[in-house]
Amino acid sequence: GAVVSQHPSRVICKSGTSVKIECRSLDFQATTMFWYRQFPKQSLMLMATSNEGSKATYEQGVEKDKFLINHASLTLSTLTVTSAHPEDSSFYICSARDGGSPLHFGNGTRLTVT
Amino acid sequence: SQELEQSPQSLIVQEGKNLTINCTSSKTLYGLYWYKQKYGEGLIFLMMLQKGGEEKSHEKITAKLDEKKQQSSLHITASQPSHAGIYLCGADTSNSGYALNFGKGTSLLVTP
Repeated sequence: GAVVSQHPSRVICKSGTSVKIECRSLDFQATTMFWYRQFPKQSLMLMATSNEGSKATYEQGVEKDKFLINHASLTLSTLTVTSAHPEDSSFYICSARDGGSPLHFGNGTRLTVT
Repeated sequence: SQELEQSPQSLIVQEGKNLTINCTSSKTLYGLYWYKQKYGEGLIFLMMLQKGGEEKSHEKITAKLDEKKQQSSLHITASQPSHAGIYLCGADTSNSGYALNFGKGTSLLVTP
């Protein structure tokens, strides 16, 4: 089945630094990947849609300059949290479809900004 | 936007008992997906329902989508500790197989 790999699984960074999270589709090509954010005991909130070879589409209220998305190949999308602050601490998770399959999710990245 | 309400928010059941989790949409569902999540981990796909009245089963888990395609239920028979986790329902935001909107999840704990 389709496998989505996310790295790193955990990251701790200092306030003001930037953090990059990678999302890879291991056995299929994904022209579109989706980035979600999850707060404790809350649902997954769609942040943006990553489109291979073009600009990402951000959901309302998500700062595109804060959360930079790059989808340079059919198997890799990256999310960079720029100038991270403690309020950016959260669980970030990516997902992708293999054709008409259900969304497959990575294992998520726990970001802690100190 | 499509709102998904899940109930109950949390559930504690004794091992061996049956349980049901509900997911209700404010709009007609193009596709309804059930996922399971362990805390701090990714989502594991359980089942996908697309047709009104559809019912699917996998091992001890059965999911149904009502005829109006606005409500789904997930039923676990003879629960086991391995069933513990957060169950999330997700819905297609359009009929184009785009991103999914999710309910807030139901936290399930199965006690020995």
